[in-house]
Amino acid sequence: LAKTTQPISMDSYEGQEVNITCSHNNIATNDYITWYQQFPSQGPRFIIQGYKTKVTNEVASLFIPADRKSSTLSLPRVSLSDTAVYYCLVGLYSGAGSYQLTFGKGTKLSVIP
Amino acid sequence: DTGVSQDPRHKITKRGQNVTFRCDPISEHNRLYWYRQTLGQGPEFLTYFQNEAQLEKSRLLSDRFSAERPKGSFSTLEIQRTEQGDSAMYLCASSSRDTNNSPLHFGNGTRLTVT
Repeated sequence: LAKTTQPISMDSYEGQEVNITCSHNNIATNDYITWYQQFPSQGPRFIIQGYKTKVTNEVASLFIPADRKSSTLSLPRVSLSDTAVYYCLVGLYSGAGSYQLTFGKGTKLSVIP
Repeated sequence: DTGVSQDPRHKITKRGQNVTFRCDPISEHNRLYWYRQTLGQGPEFLTYFQNEAQLEKSRLLSDRFSAERPKGSFSTLEIQRTEQGDSAMYLCASSSRDTNNSPLHFGNGTRLTVT
């Protein structure tokens, strides 16, 4: 089963911009890339979704290159409350033709005062 | 919109016992997903439903696991003859459209501990 790849962890100081990249070499043609945030003992929470180029909302930006084999989540001016695990989610075909929505292993972001 | 609701929040059971979890999706969401998450890992796909039809099951899913969504609304996940390796957080999510690109709305999960 094809996988997504993200850095295991990142540290950042408050007020800095944070960029987290996810690799997804086998993304399907019609699939979107979606990022989620997860705090301990809670379910993941939707942050942003995109198909190509750049998407921006009130909390983040998502950059997707033309080949769509990766994506970068950008969090502007992080605060302590942004300390969480961030996952990218794409639909990936397994070798047997099965279709499953698969999370990456996630990036644990720690924001330092 | 009251969000996705899961019950119970916590379950402790002895090895060999059967357990059942319930998920109530957001009203009128026609897709419902079950995921499992162990400590330090990302959520692992188990199965999903479109309305009452179960469209996909993970090949990793043991025969001891079964899920139903009989009326296309709430869903149950049953684990028979639990094993210690089944200890995990079981997450339910729902989405509103008939594509795989609709954002998932997750509940806060049921944490299962098998002793």
